[in-house]
Amino acid sequence: EVQVVESGGGLAQPGRSLRLSCAASGFAFDDYAMHWVRQAPGKGLEWVSGINWKSNNIGYADSVKGRFTISRDNAKNSLYLQMNSLRAEDTAFYYCIKDGNGYFTFLESWGQGALVTVSS
Amino acid sequence: SDVLTQPPSVSVAPGKTARITCGGSNLGGKSVHWYQQKPGQAPVLVVYDDSDRPSGIPERISGSNSGNTATLTISRVEAGDEADYYCQVWGSSSDQFAVFGGGTQLTVL
Repeated sequence: EVQVVESGGGLAQPGRSLRLSCAASGFAFDDYAMHWVRQAPGKGLEWVSGINWKSNNIGYADSVKGRFTISRDNAKNSLYLQMNSLRAEDTAFYYCIKDGNGYFTFLESWGQGALVTVSS
Repeated sequence: SDVLTQPPSVSVAPGKTARITCGGSNLGGKSVHWYQQKPGQAPVLVVYDDSDRPSGIPERISGSNSGNTATLTISRVEAGDEADYYCQVWGSSSDQFAVFGGGTQLTVL
């Protein structure tokens, strides 16, 4: 069974950093692209970042470009999101997602989400 | 940049057919994916590549895409279909990646 489980969410002050992790199991992690999508409370979905299977195609939403960094460790079946210079508008549930392919196709399997709250 | 337009809400009686639209420029030339999100839960992929269903998704749920509009159709609607539905494509410009519609809340009367 495919599983992706997020961790590392919590409360951070504006301007500080937080690192999300995602542990994957039940599939060949190094064959698939991975993504982060966020959802502010009561709002819609916003794609944050994605990384292909080889880590040579990486993308970011304009809203996080230059502040967030996505990475993966295929040996550890893990995906990460380093979030720096956090802002109040970064408050959201962050979902880790397995793509349907090694490149960006569709968002096949979603984790349950990790809540990030940015507040002083 | 690509913009996807969905109606904020759709209401349907049990047993009837619900149609949720997603509008965008030349959408028929792109692959459209649909996600269902029930209250308090993570989204679930229900249709990919316009009309394909992942395993476990009932045949009552189908998708189509032509011209400037993609449509998610749910036949024989059940109370359990009540959820928010989002369409999604990959952007057409080199610096634009995943784009979501604003979401449609399906209410079963």
